[in-house]
This record gives sequence, C-alpha cells and structure tokens, in this order.
Amino acid sequence: DQQVKQNSPSLSVQEGRISILNCDYTNSMFDYFLWYKKYPAEGPTFLISISSIKDKNEDGRFTVFLNKSAKHLSLHIVPSQPGDSAVYFCAARGHNSGGSNYKLTFGKGTLLTVNP
Amino acid sequence: EAGVTQFPSHSVIEKGQTVTLRCDPISGHDNLYWYRRVMGKEIKFLLHFVKESKQDESGMPNNRFLAERTGGTYSTLKVQPAELEDSGVYFCASSPDGAGLVWEQYFGPGTRLTVT
Repeated sequence: DQQVKQNSPSLSVQEGRISILNCDYTNSMFDYFLWYKKYPAEGPTFLISISSIKDKNEDGRFTVFLNKSAKHLSLHIVPSQPGDSAVYFCAARGHNSGGSNYKLTFGKGTLLTVNP
Repeated sequence: EAGVTQFPSHSVIEKGQTVTLRCDPISGHDNLYWYRRVMGKEIKFLLHFVKESKQDESGMPNNRFLAERTGGTYSTLKVQPAELEDSGVYFCASSPDGAGLVWEQYFGPGTRLTVT
C-alpha cells in the first residue's frame, strides 16, 4: 500500500522551460512534505519543504504547491537548468499511531532530464 | 559542517555471511534514521534513533537486522545472516531536535549492499 505516489517515472524538459513534478498522497495524517533531489551514487539532498498549513513555499527557482483537499503536491522548477537533471523524490511526514512521528514516507521518484 | 558519512560505500557478500554498516551523523544531531532502497523502488524507513534509544523500529524487515547506536553518536546496522533480498542501498540520515520544528533529514551517500 503506497501512501506517497509519483506516477510519472520520468520527465524531460528543455533548458529554460518549467519543470513540474507531481506527487499524490493518501494518508490525511501527513502534515509536512519534502522534496529531495538525488544524483546517481549519492544520497538524497533536501531541496524544499512545505507544512500542511501552507499552500505554497518558494525558494529561488523552486516552488512547492500543496492542495490538501486533493492530497496533491507539485514541485515547479523555473527556469530549468541541465544541472537540475536528477531523480526527485517526494516525501511526507505524519503522525503515526505508535512509533515515530519523524519517519519519512517516500514516493518512487521521478527522473527529470533537462536538455540543453 | 561535515555531512552524514557512511561506511563502506559498497559491500559484496555471499548469502549467509554477516555485514555491518556504519553511519556517522551530523555532529549534534540527536535523531538518526536508517532507510533502504531496493531495486529502484521507493526509499523505505527502517528505524529511528533518538540519541541512543530506538524510537521506532517498525520498518526493520526481520530479526536478521540489528541496529545499535551506543553513546548516541554513530550507528551500526548489522545483517546476519544476509539473504539475497537484502541487496539494496542503505541510507542513513540525521536531523536535529524536532523541537525547533526542523523536520528536514540529511542523508548520507548510502552503502550499496550486494548479496550473491
């Protein structure tokens, strides 16, 4: 039962254009969402996050949008650069009955390729 | 500030052997996590330490896996005896005290474990 879903395994965009990566979740107890970027042979690198009390968070070229009613979030990268080519993981943190409230639940990732 | 480090970067062992993975978190981070990614699937939570105490080990696959964090600094994850399905990339992550509402986790580069 996958609670965080990234339905697009890959995405290809042209340099300078906007990249939009999508993520859906099923667990309404998730209250904090994060995006990580991962290059081959490296660990995931934190990119940007958003609390469930907000609907938008912006950091430079990166903006995350959260639609709680639709249980959907998206990451916008504009303008896209070739160095942005990587796997992007959506992750969620939530209150769990028992256990840790800190653990992250990840999606399977989307491979973004930005073509020069 | 030094990041999360993991050792070894790669390990190839035969089925039935024992392997011990090590993680050194960012200095001062009380929270330490282990995750695993198998065959390009999602990154899955294994367990969470707060200092030297196990807060949540609900993701540990079975009793062949043993994690320790003596002294609340570095952590080890032992697999004994290893099985073929244990192959994957094991990530360690750390985060500071969540009282400041810092939920981002910082990941190490991972240990790629191959069981043959």
